[in-house]
Amino acid sequence: DAGVTQSPTHLIKTRGQQVTLRCSPKSGHDTVSWYQQALGQGPQFIFQYYEEEERQRGNFPDRFSGHQFPNYSSELNVNALLLGDSALYLCASSRGSQETQYFGPGTRLLVL
Amino acid sequence: QQQVKQSPQSLIVQKGGIPIINCAYENTAFDYFPWYQQFPGKGPALLIAIRPDVSEKKEGRFTISFNKSAKQFSLHIMDSQPGDSATYFCAAETSGSRLTFGEGTQLTVNP
Repeated sequence: DAGVTQSPTHLIKTRGQQVTLRCSPKSGHDTVSWYQQALGQGPQFIFQYYEEEERQRGNFPDRFSGHQFPNYSSELNVNALLLGDSALYLCASSRGSQETQYFGPGTRLLVL
Repeated sequence: QQQVKQSPQSLIVQKGGIPIINCAYENTAFDYFPWYQQFPGKGPALLIAIRPDVSEKKEGRFTISFNKSAKQFSLHIMDSQPGDSATYFCAAETSGSRLTFGEGTQLTVNP
C-alpha cells in the first residue's frame, strides 16, 4: 500500500518563474491538502481539495493555485515566485471528512 | 484564535529520560489533536492522536495527556532513545478540516 508520494523531490527556480508540484494521495484517500513549511517552522495550511474543488484556503495569495484530478491526485502551482517562497511543500491526504492526514516526503523548493 | 502554542522550542534529555512537550490552544472548535514526528528532510509522520473526550491515550512509549478545561495537551515519551531525536509538532484540527501546527520542538536524546 503506497503512501503519499510527491514529485519532484527538489527544485531550483529563479524569481518570477512559475512552478508546478505534484502529489498522489495514499490509496483509498480522496482529499488532498497542501502545506508550506519554512525552515525551522511548523507547516502552514495552503488549501485543501475534495471532489476536484478547493474546499478550504489558508492565508496565501492568489499566486498559489491548485487542481485535483479525477484520480484524486493534485497539483500545486505557484506563479511569480519570490525568494520567500523557498520552503518545503508538503502534501497530505485523508479520506473524506476523516481527521487523520498522512503526509508525503515533500518537495524542497529553492528560489534564487 | 487559530494558533497552537508549543513549548519548549528545544529539549535535551539522556537516554531513558521522559521528555515532555506541551501545547495550548484557544479555539474550542478544535476536536482532534495529533502529534507528528519529523526527521530532517522528511515529511511529518503521524505519531499519536487524541480527541477531547478522553484525558489520556497511550501507544507504545508515547502518551498524550489532554486537559480540556485548560485547553492544553502534552506528549510524553517514555524510555526515550537516541532514535527518538527529531522535531515534534503538535497540531489541532476541526473535523477533517485544516491542521493548525505548533512551532515545533527539537528533541535530542543523548546516548
